[in-house]
Amino acid sequence: DTEVTQTPKHLVMGMTNKKSLKCEQHMGHRAMYWYKQKAKKPPELMFVYSYEKLSINESVPSRFSPECPNSSLLNLHLHALQPEDSALYLCASSQVYGTANTEAFFGQGTRLTVV
Amino acid sequence: DQQVKQNSPSLSVQEGRISILNCDYTNSMFDYFLWYKKYPAEGPTFLISISSIKDKNEDGRFTVFLNKSAKHLSLHIVPSQPGDSAVYFCAAAILQGAQKLVFGQGTRLTINP
Repeated sequence: DTEVTQTPKHLVMGMTNKKSLKCEQHMGHRAMYWYKQKAKKPPELMFVYSYEKLSINESVPSRFSPECPNSSLLNLHLHALQPEDSALYLCASSQVYGTANTEAFFGQGTRLTVV
Repeated sequence: DQQVKQNSPSLSVQEGRISILNCDYTNSMFDYFLWYKKYPAEGPTFLISISSIKDKNEDGRFTVFLNKSAKHLSLHIVPSQPGDSAVYFCAAAILQGAQKLVFGQGTRLTINP
């Protein structure tokens, strides 16, 4: 099983709304990631969790708040977003280096539209 | 500052022929390289990877070559099939705990029947 499951697939939210994106994997991976991808651009890293602790925050605005409740789940809480935050949000997971093969597996993404 | 570059935005190849996708990087600290395939509105699908201690890795129709002195890697697909039509991203990372993947801009590969 090399599946990373993201919900919802599509989300439309107003600038005053609060919503959450969810990500789940059952591969035993202890590193999980949030990436953002704008149209015709490559994915850009937002956050990295390693052993359920936030290890990298790529200077992401505080209106994006990540959470890793356990080793299988990763959430991204959204509040007071701007229209320019509309993008495809990708979750990924991998083994931590030194434990096994470390290729990252991606979910299908959540297409977010902020209106 | 683009640390990973894919200079060809698009590539068109005849079915059955070899597809060669190229990628250059500037950060000599990168020691792990990956290729992903992506369809529109889907997440990237992992294809193949190579660590800097190797210069070649092969998996079925896919082979990745790494030239560290030139800071260049390439993905060869032989033979090319219509289902290979997609955007291909090269990515690089420094192996230390969790990865921080840096992606190239992508190359759109079209396989013509």
